[in-house]
Amino acid sequence: GAGVSQSPSNKVTEKGKDVELRCDPISGHTALYWYRQSLGQGLEFLIYFQGNSAPDKSGLPSDRFSAERTGGSVSTLTIQRTQQEDSAVYLCASRGVGRTGIPNYGYTFGSGTRLTVV
Amino acid sequence: RKEVEQDPGPFNVPEGATVAFNCTYSNSASQSFFWYRQDCRKEPKLLMSVYSSGNEDGRFTAQLNRASQYISLLIRDSKLSDSATYLCVVNKGTSYDKVIFGPGTSLSVIP
Repeated sequence: GAGVSQSPSNKVTEKGKDVELRCDPISGHTALYWYRQSLGQGLEFLIYFQGNSAPDKSGLPSDRFSAERTGGSVSTLTIQRTQQEDSAVYLCASRGVGRTGIPNYGYTFGSGTRLTVV
Repeated sequence: RKEVEQDPGPFNVPEGATVAFNCTYSNSASQSFFWYRQDCRKEPKLLMSVYSSGNEDGRFTAQLNRASQYISLLIRDSKLSDSATYLCVVNKGTSYDKVIFGPGTSLSVIP
C-alpha cells in the first residue's frame, strides 16, 4: 500500500485480556519497527525486524509482549494478560533499503493503535 | 546520561519569530541524524535528515556538530502550522538500523 497501515486504530480491553495489534508495512520495506508512546512521553522502542534476520527484541518490556512478522510483511504485536500500564499508543514504522543495501533514510510511521486497558 | 537529550521546552513564540532547538547525543559513533515532527495525537513524520555540512529546506536549517555531539534545528519566520513536537533522532552507534528518538521539544507558535 501507499503507507503503513495499523489496525485497529483504537482498542479498549479489560485488564488480563490478550490483545493483538496488526501492522501492514509499505510494500517492499524490509525493516519493520514497533514503538510505544505513552501520553506525553517519547517513543519507546519495542522490537525490530529486518528481512530474515532474527528480530531485535531488546525493547520488549516483559515476556507478556511478543511479536512476529510473517512472510517478511505483516507484523502482529501480541500483549498477553494486559495491564493498565500497557495503555499507550503503539506505533509501527517501516523503512526501505536502497540499491546499495544501505537503509533509506526516514521511517514511515503508521497512525498507531491507541490501546486502553481498563 | 540519556542517549539523546533535547531542550525540554515548551517553546512559545510569536508568528514570524526565529526559534532554534538543540539536541545532544551520547554515542560518538552515531552517523545518522534526523529531525521528525509530531503533531498532537498523530504519528511522527520525517522533517529532514541532518547532513555533516548542514542543510536547509525552506525555512528550516539543520546543523550537526560532531565534536560537541549535538544537532540543531532552526526555524525561521515561524508559522502557526509549525506548532508541533520536534523529535531529534540519532542512530544507535554504527548501526543504521537502530535509532533512538529523543523526548521531543514542544513548539507553540502564537498569533
